[in-house]
Amino acid sequence: DAGITQSPRHKVTETGTPVTLRCHQTENHRYMYWYRQDPGHGLRLIHYSYGVKDTDKGEVSDGYSVSRSKTEDFLLTLESATSSQTSVYFCAISESYLASRPGANVLTFGAGSRLTVL
Amino acid sequence: GDSVTQMEGPVTLSEEACLTINCTYTATGYPSLFWYVQYPGEGLQLLLKATKADDKGSNKGFEATYRKETTSFHLEKGSVQVSDSAVYFCALSNRDDKIIFGKGTRLHILP
Repeated sequence: DAGITQSPRHKVTETGTPVTLRCHQTENHRYMYWYRQDPGHGLRLIHYSYGVKDTDKGEVSDGYSVSRSKTEDFLLTLESATSSQTSVYFCAISESYLASRPGANVLTFGAGSRLTVL
Repeated sequence: GDSVTQMEGPVTLSEEACLTINCTYTATGYPSLFWYVQYPGEGLQLLLKATKADDKGSNKGFEATYRKETTSFHLEKGSVQVSDSAVYFCALSNRDDKIIFGKGTRLHILP
């Protein structure tokens, strides 16, 4: 299995506090993604990265920021958590997006981080 | 923009029944199409994929055919097992780096 770990796996915090979720990979994959999963909404992309210091927004990026200072780490930060950010957060990695490449756009997911904002 | 629509769940079937989960997409060009499965308490994992029209992806008895004329990628299995109970997600990737998921379909298989 691909080496991808998320931390923390569970966190309970209060409204207004900052929260950082970490995704760590040992596969040296170029692409890393943060998704949130909510009932009735499925999986929605928050931010993604296509290289060190190269990131872009997804469809639900408001209230979130990311950083990628090393290939292996992709951090998701909630500067001031709100109750609407209570969710399960998944990190994913992929080797390439080019359809011609083997494994293109095949995502490998972490086990998820459950965040509760009170 | 690109989007994926899949049938609402939950879907409840008896063991050994036939399964079809519908998935249609909207996209320009020629996207790659995927089915992912999420077992309880776990992250998603790739079930099968197809990268061009008329390709058939298959794995663990599941199949899906990339139909460009109907913009569909329906998931099928001839005889389901209790262990197939999970949430199934249809997804597409297009010319950029983003991968778009449907909302997921929860499947319950009764013994």
